[in-house]
Amino acid sequence: TQLLEQSPQFLSIQEGENLTVYCNSSSVFSSLQWYRQEPGEGPVLLVTVVTGGEVKKLKRLTFQFGDARKDSSLHITAAQPGDTGLYLCAGRQGAQKLVFGQGTRLTINP
Amino acid sequence: DAGVIQSPRHEVTEMGQEVTLRCKPISGHNSLFWYRQTMMRGLELLIYFNNNVPIDDSGMPEDRFSAKMPNASFSTLKIQPSEPRDSAVYFCASSLKAGTAAYEQYFGPGTRLTVT
Repeated sequence: TQLLEQSPQFLSIQEGENLTVYCNSSSVFSSLQWYRQEPGEGPVLLVTVVTGGEVKKLKRLTFQFGDARKDSSLHITAAQPGDTGLYLCAGRQGAQKLVFGQGTRLTINP
Repeated sequence: DAGVIQSPRHEVTEMGQEVTLRCKPISGHNSLFWYRQTMMRGLELLIYFNNNVPIDDSGMPEDRFSAKMPNASFSTLKIQPSEPRDSAVYFCASSLKAGTAAYEQYFGPGTRLTVT
């Protein structure tokens, strides 16, 4: 059983469209992170959210942590081909352990 | 600055052979993590070390897998004997030992292992 469920698993949209990716769990996490992974490389951290209800913005990307700290969303405005990649959410358990979702594979078509 | 270094980048071996994956963490980091990534199971934590000491190996699939960290700048993940179901991308990551909620793990480029 996957502790963190991401949806959708695959998403292919046209350049300029908006999109939202979801990360859901029945467990509470002390913090939640979003990573982006490109082919042949390891994941790279985009953001960490810590407080329930927290919203963080990174240019065209908006991240939100659920009030109960069990879920999170990533919204991309006016998607660009450079946004293409695998987006992973990871919940922190205990002091250091991260539990990753299955990922959302995003393709932005020019 | 050098990031996490992993070797080899690709490994193809036959079932039953021993495989050793290597990792050099970022200098100054005192925590090291080994992950495995497959399409079916995603990214799974296998084991992690703090100050060269294994802390949690509950993700190690079975006795065929072992990991060591003889010093702060080197770790190995060994599979003996290897099986086709071990085929995956293995990542090493390092971090400063968590002191705040916002700590970050830095991942290496991974080793793609294929067992035939």
